Amino acid sequence: KAGVTQTPRYLIKTRGQQVTLSCSPISGHRSVSWYQQTPGQGLQFLFEYFSETQRNKGNFPGRFSGRQFSNSRSEMNVSTLELGDSALYLCASRPGGAETQYFGPGTRLLVL
Amino acid sequence: QKEVEQNSGPLSVPEGAIASLNCTYSDRGSQSFFWYRQYSGKSPELIMFIYSNGDKEDGRFTAQLNKASQYVSLLIRDSQPSDSATYLCAVCAGLNQGGKLIFGQGTELSVKP
Repeated sequence: KAGVTQTPRYLIKTRGQQVTLSCSPISGHRSVSWYQQTPGQGLQFLFEYFSETQRNKGNFPGRFSGRQFSNSRSEMNVSTLELGDSALYLCASRPGGAETQYFGPGTRLLVL
Repeated sequence: QKEVEQNSGPLSVPEGAIASLNCTYSDRGSQSFFWYRQYSGKSPELIMFIYSNGDKEDGRFTAQLNKASQYVSLLIRDSQPSDSATYLCAVCAGLNQGGKLIFGQGTELSVKP
């Protein structure tokens, strides 16, 4: 089976812009979770989508949003980018009935 | 107090030795526990998961869980230079929290030839 894929892999934006990241889960996996990883804060949970519904949400401002499509692919959007949003954004997928998550390669976002 | 705590390291062990990585968590209701390995510049890779008290072995890796002490550990036997990476402990709160993992800051392991 193909693994989790994320696009784009690298992105450079300027403050105030918005960005959309995409994640395709492992075939058959219906849950997609998003995480932000920074050197200072480590890996932090953003949100989880399951069957097109947001199930859990982390402690991030409303500028961070996401959605999931009927084919389980997910997108996350960050509006009004700030310098502090520079990070590695990871998505992970899991089958609906299990808790084991598998990570994609990540999207490295640099905000200038 | 952080929800999941790990020694940041670096932990340095000679090749062939046993590396012991430790993790404590604060939520007594936590149900599932995971160890991920992350090489520099790469994404986390699942090594092991454990749900029940006791030991779980997979090849050179052994995960140990003690829910009473809120403690999880990972032992790596016969450590190899290729094991040099950051090891992340992750905890899932359980029911209705399956997609939300809480991570520790990670322990950097260096295996010296």
